[in-house]
Amino acid sequence: DAGVIQSPRHEVTEMGQEVTLRCKPISGHNSLFWYRQTMMRGLELLIYFNNNVPIDDSGMPEDRFSAKMPNASFSTLKIQPSEPRDSAVYFCASSLVGAVYNEQFFGPGTRLTVL
Amino acid sequence: AQTVTQSQPEMSVQEAETVTLSCTYDTSESNYYLFWYKQPPSRQMILVIRQEAYKQQNATENRFSVNFQKAAKSFSLKISDSQLGDTAMYFCAFMSDGEGGSEKLVFGKGTKLTVNP
Repeated sequence: DAGVIQSPRHEVTEMGQEVTLRCKPISGHNSLFWYRQTMMRGLELLIYFNNNVPIDDSGMPEDRFSAKMPNASFSTLKIQPSEPRDSAVYFCASSLVGAVYNEQFFGPGTRLTVL
Repeated sequence: AQTVTQSQPEMSVQEAETVTLSCTYDTSESNYYLFWYKQPPSRQMILVIRQEAYKQQNATENRFSVNFQKAAKSFSLKISDSQLGDTAMYFCAFMSDGEGGSEKLVFGKGTKLTVNP
């Protein structure tokens, strides 16, 4: 199994630009999570989906952030317009509901830098 | 809301020695899951060990073991025979028992562990 795949691995953009992060969960998993990691706030959940339906988006900072999961094998996190304070590492994770411990498997992360 | 506290921002240990990382959490739930994740410089999040709250027996995985004290809401990680490859950030995490649905992980701020040769 290839594990959770995220792209790009690194993204550098200028303030005001649109940024799209992509995630392919492990095949067969039915839950998908987006986390953000910063020095100040640590690791925090942005949003998660069960069976492609958003369940909890309370962690999404503001309207500039949006996430979609059009099918079971793909999700995007979009920031428009981007700001320097969005600079962080963004992780995608997936799990299989009902599996032992509902263990979440993490992707390698996308390091976003907004100049 | 659940919270997870790791009171040791940084720790160091000599190779082959034993080190314990602390974690406390706050919840009103009776069943839940607890995890320790390792994040090396590659930044990949790696699950080290996990514990289900209703299980009294402490989990062990090779050189890694936990001391789970449910009443005290404490979940410490012990690393025995420390190796240079154990150098990493370690995160304690809490997950509610979602009764059939996946739940989010709530993380502590992390402990940076350095293993010295």
